Amino acid sequence: AQTVTQSQPEMSVQEAETVTLSCTYDTSESDYYLFWYKQPPSRQMILVIRQEAYKQQNATENRFSVNFQKAAKSFSLKISDSQLGDAAMYFCAYRKDSNYQLIWGAGTKLIIKP
Amino acid sequence: GAGVSQSPSNKVTEKGKDVELRCDPISGHTALYWYRQSLGQGLEFLIYFQGNSAPDKSGLPSDRFSAERTGGSVSTLTIQRTQQEDSAVYLCASSLGGSWTNTIYFGEGSWLTVV
Repeated sequence: AQTVTQSQPEMSVQEAETVTLSCTYDTSESDYYLFWYKQPPSRQMILVIRQEAYKQQNATENRFSVNFQKAAKSFSLKISDSQLGDAAMYFCAYRKDSNYQLIWGAGTKLIIKP
Repeated sequence: GAGVSQSPSNKVTEKGKDVELRCDPISGHTALYWYRQSLGQGLEFLIYFQGNSAPDKSGLPSDRFSAERTGGSVSTLTIQRTQQEDSAVYLCASSLGGSWTNTIYFGEGSWLTVV
């Protein structure tokens, strides 16, 4: 069975600095998709960024980028120029090609220090 | 509507009672998902609808849980004879279709507490 592990329960970063959140996963599939979601106190999950496993190029969305290491089964999220509004729970999720389910990590709480 | 709407946002119920949680997806979205989020945990998949049919019910934890979707729109998740371990946030989500390229939009969840 696929699993997703986020080893950092909590991270903190100074405003305007860069922070990296870790995610590793376990799968025997070759085609799959990876996602980072943000959950602010409102509880609404918001998609931050996504990556196709067959693409070697790392996805980027403005201040958010990923470091996807397929062989190592690692999918970390880098947030540059951190802003107060980035404070939230961040979840890493996996979806295999033939399935609708997202498999989720336990989340990392990101604290932004002003 | 503008987003995925869920009701009630909070529900406290006594053990053994039945509860119904409602989800109103984004208009035009054919795919609908239910997830459960326990305190300090990631999300746990419950069920997926494509239109009114549920090709994947594999996540429903027991036969006390059921879900339906009518008119390709509103969905109801029903929990019968609630237990304390059912306490969690129940999140509904929808997307245009079931493809991974379709962004999944989440509601704000229904927080269920069983006392």
